[in-house]
Amino acid sequence: DAKTTQPPSMDCAEGRAANLPCNHSTISGNEYVYWYRQIHSQGPQYIIHGLKNNETNEMASLIITEDRKSSTLILPHATLRDTAVYYCIVRAYSGNTPLVFGKGTRLSVIA
Amino acid sequence: DGGITQSPKYLFRKEGQNVTLSCEQNLNHDAMYWYRQDPGQGLRLIYYSQIVNDFQKGDIAEGYSVSREKKESFPLTVTSAQKNPTAFYLCASSTRFGGGADTQYFGPGTRLTVL
Repeated sequence: DAKTTQPPSMDCAEGRAANLPCNHSTISGNEYVYWYRQIHSQGPQYIIHGLKNNETNEMASLIITEDRKSSTLILPHATLRDTAVYYCIVRAYSGNTPLVFGKGTRLSVIA
Repeated sequence: DGGITQSPKYLFRKEGQNVTLSCEQNLNHDAMYWYRQDPGQGLRLIYYSQIVNDFQKGDIAEGYSVSREKKESFPLTVTSAQKNPTAFYLCASSTRFGGGADTQYFGPGTRLTVL
């Protein structure tokens, strides 16, 4: 069963912020939110993860709502090289739970 | 450079032949994984290994086999029993299996075509 819901595709103008939403309404208290991306014909790349606080790193920011039922990945200044499929994944902190990849959101950055 | 290598990048085989895909990591990671990806689809887990000499089936293990005799190596054999083996195969590793703060690192993938 899918634990996350993402739009199948989005467009973003180059230089603008890309905001990728993810719904995870059944998330449990011990589950983290992970984001990965996959550029065409390459292996997925880890972006960021969080539990309940907003997180930021050199690639992106992760905003998690207070009720933790949804989150948004923000690429502050999208470039053409950010064109990829973005996967939002939830996984429990402990236990034998591998990552489960859905179909993700295909982000197209347009010049 | 530390990382995960998969070879070859492209592989062609005749139907009915077994084929082994290589995956090597020099990250000193305990856990390793194999995924399959079909066009326009997400990744599906085939097998994973938490530690040397241990592995478990994932969601689509039928027709595949693995071994984990060394920490750095996790080869995947696609057997003739796999009914639709043509796909993109990805190997990954992580410091340990499970755990909220753990992340997986992926290799470049092998694209297998069965003729």
